[in-house]
Amino acid sequence: GNSVTQMEGPVTLSEEAFLTINCTYTATGYPSLFWYVQYPGEGLQLLLKATKADDKGSNKGFEATYRKETTSFHLEKGSVQVSDSAVYFCALTYGGSQGNLIFGKGTKLSVKP
Amino acid sequence: NAGVTQTPKFRVLKTGQSMTLLCAQDMNHEYMYWYRQDPGMGLRLIHYSVGEGTTAKGEVPDGYNVSRLKKQNFLLGLESAAPSQTSVYFCASTYEQDYEQYFGPGTRLTVT
Repeated sequence: GNSVTQMEGPVTLSEEAFLTINCTYTATGYPSLFWYVQYPGEGLQLLLKATKADDKGSNKGFEATYRKETTSFHLEKGSVQVSDSAVYFCALTYGGSQGNLIFGKGTKLSVKP
Repeated sequence: NAGVTQTPKFRVLKTGQSMTLLCAQDMNHEYMYWYRQDPGMGLRLIHYSVGEGTTAKGEVPDGYNVSRLKKQNFLLGLESAAPSQTSVYFCASTYEQDYEQYFGPGTRLTVT
């Protein structure tokens, strides 16, 4: 079946450190891939997306590249800030799913000053 | 433009009680979804709707019912609450498949 696996947290980094959160997927066909972020006490909001192989999504200094050959969509940021502390979810949608998202379990990031 | 709103924000129920969670969106979206979020589980789809008057089951539908009588509203009902339904419930909507989904702020439900 279709699924998303992302690295387990929590991840604790110092401010200005480099961030990578790994995400791999299993899906039939050609899914669209997403990263959502959930700040404490809030709902989820879209961080970035990519809809086809080799596409790079980017937003707020975060980037992720759709790699079909490795079925991956790793999230990266060159220099994290305290305000990036949140839970990050990798997710996909696929044809025939009526648009619902298949989520990974989430990775909690804490950035210390 | 309020986006997606959910009512109530918090609720405590006793086992066997019933309640309805309301989701409203003002973006004229066709697709609406109910997810539940549990620790270490990510979000899982309960029910969804692809348009006014339509509903369908998701991954974890047991113990829940839904209705979409108006395009802007999607109701989630618990007829007889169980402790296993203690969770945070999120509603989301989108214009079309593969588009960004907009999430509400969530409802934290505790069943004792």
